[in-house]
Amino acid sequence: GDSVTQMEGPVTLSEEAFLTINCTYTATGYPSLFWYVQYPGEGLQLLLKATKADDKGSNKGFEATYRKETTSFHLEKGSVQVSDSAVYFCALTGGTGFQKLVFGTGTRLLVSP
Amino acid sequence: NAGVTQTPKFQVLKTGQSMTLQCAQDMNHEYMSWYRQDPGMGLRLIHYSVGAGITDQGEVPNGYNVSRSTTEDFPLRLLSAAPSQTSVYFCASSDRDTRFFGPGTRLTVL
Repeated sequence: GDSVTQMEGPVTLSEEAFLTINCTYTATGYPSLFWYVQYPGEGLQLLLKATKADDKGSNKGFEATYRKETTSFHLEKGSVQVSDSAVYFCALTGGTGFQKLVFGTGTRLLVSP
Repeated sequence: NAGVTQTPKFQVLKTGQSMTLQCAQDMNHEYMSWYRQDPGMGLRLIHYSVGAGITDQGEVPNGYNVSRSTTEDFPLRLLSAAPSQTSVYFCASSDRDTRFFGPGTRLTVL
């Protein structure tokens, strides 16, 4: 079945450091790919998405490119802030109709001043 | 526009008790779903609905029931609570491929 693999955390960075969180997937067909973010005590919010190969999703300085050849959707940000501390989930949907959203296990990011 | 709302925010139950977690959305989305979040396991789909009167099982449906009598509401019922159901529960509604999540219900079963 479809699956998502994320790097284990926590990822600990200093403010203004470069961030990469790796995400790879296994899916039949052509899934849509997502990054969700969960701030402490809150629900998940969509951060960015990409629906076809070579698409780049971007939002709030975060970017991720849909790489079909490497089945990857790595999340990057050039300069992280303390306020970016959260748990980040990579996810995918595929097929038609109700697309079951399959999540990775999440990666906790901790940014220190 | 409140988005997706869930009640209660916190709940403590004793083993064997039943309860209903409420979920409502005001975005007129056809798709709604329930997930549970456990440490190290991401979110797992419990049940989902593709429209009023239509529900189906997800990845971990045992011990839970759902119904969808209106487009707006999608309650999740725990029939006989067990400690293994201690978790954080999220309701979501969807347009074609983007989920909008509620703030969650933290449930503890003693």
